[in-house]
Amino acid sequence: KNQVEQSPQSLIILEGKNCTLQCNYTVSPFSNLRWYKQDTGRGPVSLTIMTFSENTKSNGRYTATLDADTKQSSLHITASQLSDSASYICVVSATNAGNMLTFGGGTRLMVKP
Amino acid sequence: EAGVAQSPRYKIIEKRQSVAFWCNPISGHATLYWYQQILGQGPKLLIQFQNNGVVDDSQLPKDRFSAERLKGVDSTLKIQPAKLEDSAVYLCASSLDSLAKNIQYFGAGTRLSVL
Repeated sequence: KNQVEQSPQSLIILEGKNCTLQCNYTVSPFSNLRWYKQDTGRGPVSLTIMTFSENTKSNGRYTATLDADTKQSSLHITASQLSDSASYICVVSATNAGNMLTFGGGTRLMVKP
Repeated sequence: EAGVAQSPRYKIIEKRQSVAFWCNPISGHATLYWYQQILGQGPKLLIQFQNNGVVDDSQLPKDRFSAERLKGVDSTLKIQPAKLEDSAVYLCASSLDSLAKNIQYFGAGTRLSVL
């Protein structure tokens, strides 16, 4: 069964600090892994998308890493801002699934001043 | 580029009532998805359309949920009759087509409260 597990479930950090969110998956055959940011009351917005051959991808202060061997990914947020407060969802796509995605439960990040 | 439009944004109904949600995908996107997102969880796919055909509706509770995309553009999702456990955010998403590499773009969702 395809599964995506994220940790921690929730996280509180001070503005300006860095943090790292984790994602473990058991999706096969693997196509790509995406990180989405979901603000409260909004739909998810794509931050990064990585295929099997990509180890790291950055989008501004967001850097995602992928280890396809261990089936782990991380999302590192640098110099956090109040606007980073949101849920971050790890999503994995399988090549034979017609772009159907397996969603993690998300990490709820709160950045405090 | 206009995003995925959904309406209404919020809906409050009593159990056993009916409700319908509307979605207008990004222009040119052939694939449309409806998701159910319960508070604190990731979205769960209910149904996927490719143009006006259903690709996957294996997780759609067909005794009470129905969806259509008659002309291959807009879509409606209906719940009849609603139960308390249907309280959730219903997200619509679209992508260029069903290839795994394509990004899905999400609407803001409809928050349903069943009392």
